[in-house]
Amino acid sequence: EDQVTQSPEALRLQEGESSSLNCSYTVSGLRGLFWYRQDPGKGPEFLFTLYSAGEEKEKERLKATLTKKESFLHITAPKPEDSATYLCAVQADQVSGTYKYIFGTGTRLKVLA
Amino acid sequence: KAGVTQTPRYLIKTRGQQVTLSCSPISGHRSVSWYQQTPGQGLQFLFEYFSETQRNKGNFPGRFSGRQFSNSRSEMNVSTLELGDSALYLCASSLWLAGERNEQFFGPGTRLTVL
Repeated sequence: EDQVTQSPEALRLQEGESSSLNCSYTVSGLRGLFWYRQDPGKGPEFLFTLYSAGEEKEKERLKATLTKKESFLHITAPKPEDSATYLCAVQADQVSGTYKYIFGTGTRLKVLA
Repeated sequence: KAGVTQTPRYLIKTRGQQVTLSCSPISGHRSVSWYQQTPGQGLQFLFEYFSETQRNKGNFPGRFSGRQFSNSRSEMNVSTLELGDSALYLCASSLWLAGERNEQFFGPGTRLTVL
């Protein structure tokens, strides 16, 4: 069964304390892996798309990497404004020839000043 | 450039009723996708519309349906509401089909409460 698992569920960091969030997936026919940030009461905000193993993308303090089984979102020297829920999603082929999106349940990140 | 808008933002209904939610995509975007978000299940894909046709569908019962108009605006309908339908319903738009290497932009969502 296709599955996306994020860990940890919650993470508390001190300002400046770097860490990584994990997204492991089991799908057949991966089309792409997406990272989003979601603030309370708002819709997800797009961060990155990764399409093939070995690919890396960076944006400010965030860096996303992809292997054949998992993706990491590295946060370097985080600030309190980085506090949010980070969601991972995969887009996978379906037998019907269409595709589907499967989201992880997210990692709630809290950065303390 | 205006973002994705959803109306209404909050809605309270009772079991058995039906509800229609509306989504206006970013100007120029032709694809609209709908998602359900609950604390227990997270974000789940409902369906995607492109050029007024449903192109992809998740695993939801037939009580959940949608449509897209010629101006790309989309509506989602849920009939015979159940308590478990209480959720945040999110709409996302993209230029082309969301799988064609282009990102989705999400709206703020409609919070539906079923009593």
